[in-house]
This record gives sequence, C-alpha cells and structure tokens, in this order.
Amino acid sequence: NAGVTQTPKFRILKIGQSMTLQCTQDMNHNYMYWYRQDPGMGLKLIYYSVGAGITDKGEVPNGYNVSRSTTEDFPLRLELAAPSQTSVYFCASRTGGYTEAFFGQGTRLTVV
Amino acid sequence: GENVEQHPSTLSVQEGDSAVIKCTYSDSASNYFPWYKQELGKRPQLIIDIRSNVGEKKDQRIAVTLNKTAKHFSLHITETQPEDSAVYFCAASIGNFNKFYFGSGTKLNVKP
Repeated sequence: NAGVTQTPKFRILKIGQSMTLQCTQDMNHNYMYWYRQDPGMGLKLIYYSVGAGITDKGEVPNGYNVSRSTTEDFPLRLELAAPSQTSVYFCASRTGGYTEAFFGQGTRLTVV
Repeated sequence: GENVEQHPSTLSVQEGDSAVIKCTYSDSASNYFPWYKQELGKRPQLIIDIRSNVGEKKDQRIAVTLNKTAKHFSLHITETQPEDSAVYFCAASIGNFNKFYFGSGTKLNVKP
C-alpha cells in the first residue's frame, strides 16, 4: 500500500516557467488537499477537492490551478513560476469525517 | 475563514520534563482538532486528535485538552524524550470536514 505519492521530490524552475506537481493516492479517499510550507512556517491550504470533478480554493490559491479527473489523482499546476512560490508542497488525502489526513513526502520547489 | 494560532513557536525542555503547546481557533463551527508531528525533512503524521464533544483524550505520554467555550486546545507531552524533538502542528476542521486549517507550528527541542 503506497499511500500518497508525490512526484517529483525536488525541482528547480526558472522564473516564468510552468510545471505540474503530481499527486496520487491508492486509498480511495474522497478528500484531497494541496498545502505549501514555507521555511519555518505552517501549512497553508492552496486547493482542495471533495471528489472527482469537484475542486475549491483554499487560503493561498493565486498562481496555482488544480484538476481532479479521477479519485486517485490530484495534480497541482504552477503557471508562470515566481520566486514567491519557492516552498515545500505537500499533498494529502483523507476519507472525511473525523479521520486522519495522510501526507505525501513533499516536493521541494525552488524558483530562481 | 478559520484562523488557528499556535504558541510557542519554539520550546526547549530537558529530557523527562513536560511540554505544553497551545492553540486557539476563531470559528465556533470547528469540531475536529488533530495534532501532527513533523520530523526534520519528513511528512507530517498524526499523533492524536480530539472531537468537539470530548474535553480530553490521552494516548500514553500524549494528551490533548479542548475548551470549546474559550476556543482553545492544547497538546501535553509528559516524560519527554529526545525522539520527541520535532515540529508539532495543531489543526482545526470546520463543519463537514472539508478543510483543515493548520497552526504555524512549534519546534520542540528535548535536550538529553
């Protein structure tokens, strides 16, 4: 059971480039989330999804887009990367209700 | 939206002492409060959680208390050990549990 898998683990982008952070889970969870964690800071919610075809904005959605075509996958798209998007990105999933959120191992992104 | 504040940002204790981390939340609709531990370079993992209909929950050396009237909850770690050194995050979940809002984190250092 792989849990939540994120790719890539590390990436360096140049300003203005675009990329997609991949997230997949094999636990059949309905809820999926993207967070960013800046150095020494907490987790800020970027986008979340309550099921295939349904997504909504979190606290810091600007500069990002998401899609949820399947239960398993929840990719995060960065368009026109900016230095302010340098961060560690975590994907998470859960079944809902009073349940634990399982996190991926994170993607460390640097924009230069 | 919900605002979760966490204190202190850093905490240093001697091995064997107790550690207390406090969080406050703003939205009275929040009804699920998990705590996550993040070791250096790793993903956050759930250590304990509490629902709004419970005032206290214990799991070996870890306990969480909740005061709904004051809208604050706390993590208590007794008999601390060096392996407890990590960053701890509190979180609050609102209503139908779609979103988690995290505190800014507490870096706990347990000195041998």
